[in-house]
Amino acid sequence: KAGVTQTPRYLIKTRGQQVTLSCSPISGHRSVSWYQQTPGQGLQFLFEYFSETQRNKGNFPGRFSGRQFSNSRSEMNVSTLELGDSALYLCASKTGDRQMATGELFFGEGSRLTVL
Amino acid sequence: QQPVQSPQAVILREGEDAVINCSSSKALYSVHWYRQKHGEAPVFLMILLKGGEQKGHEKISASFNEKKQQSSLYLTASQLSYSGTYFCGTTTGGSNYKLTFGKGTLLTVNP
Repeated sequence: KAGVTQTPRYLIKTRGQQVTLSCSPISGHRSVSWYQQTPGQGLQFLFEYFSETQRNKGNFPGRFSGRQFSNSRSEMNVSTLELGDSALYLCASKTGDRQMATGELFFGEGSRLTVL
Repeated sequence: QQPVQSPQAVILREGEDAVINCSSSKALYSVHWYRQKHGEAPVFLMILLKGGEQKGHEKISASFNEKKQQSSLYLTASQLSYSGTYFCGTTTGGSNYKLTFGKGTLLTVNP
């Protein structure tokens, strides 16, 4: 069974540009959530999607957005990139329709974004 | 609000025990534990739910004190493979079940 796949794995952008990251969940998983990981800050929740609807949202500015497609694949977009957006962006999927309070998350290996 | 983990880092020798703590200022619905090895994706260890239900790997032991809003992860007879960063995540229930992680505890097990 294939795991969670994130693309691209590495990318370099400059300030002011925008970026789109993609996440393909495990087959059958309908919930996809996104996290930003930076040194010293741990995993910071961005948003969660279930059946193409955003179910939860973290405390990030509107420059961070996402969407989910009918096949459960998800994308996140960051516009007007800032130096502080440099981070590892992790996607996680879970099965079932229960909220994130229960159930195991399966993480991808992440997309490492560097903003110059 | 982000849960607080302690200690921030711990170094063990193989065979020693360790406890990693996670505390919150809010009433918790569930506590989740994950381990991330360097350069790899975080991997699920355990979920502890309000009311006492637990789900996780057999070799992992953890507790959840609902009144104190605290959880502890117990690593006994540590092995080299236990090395990594441990994250606790919490949900507070109600209408918002977003999973909020702490900053992590770096565990290093030496031979």
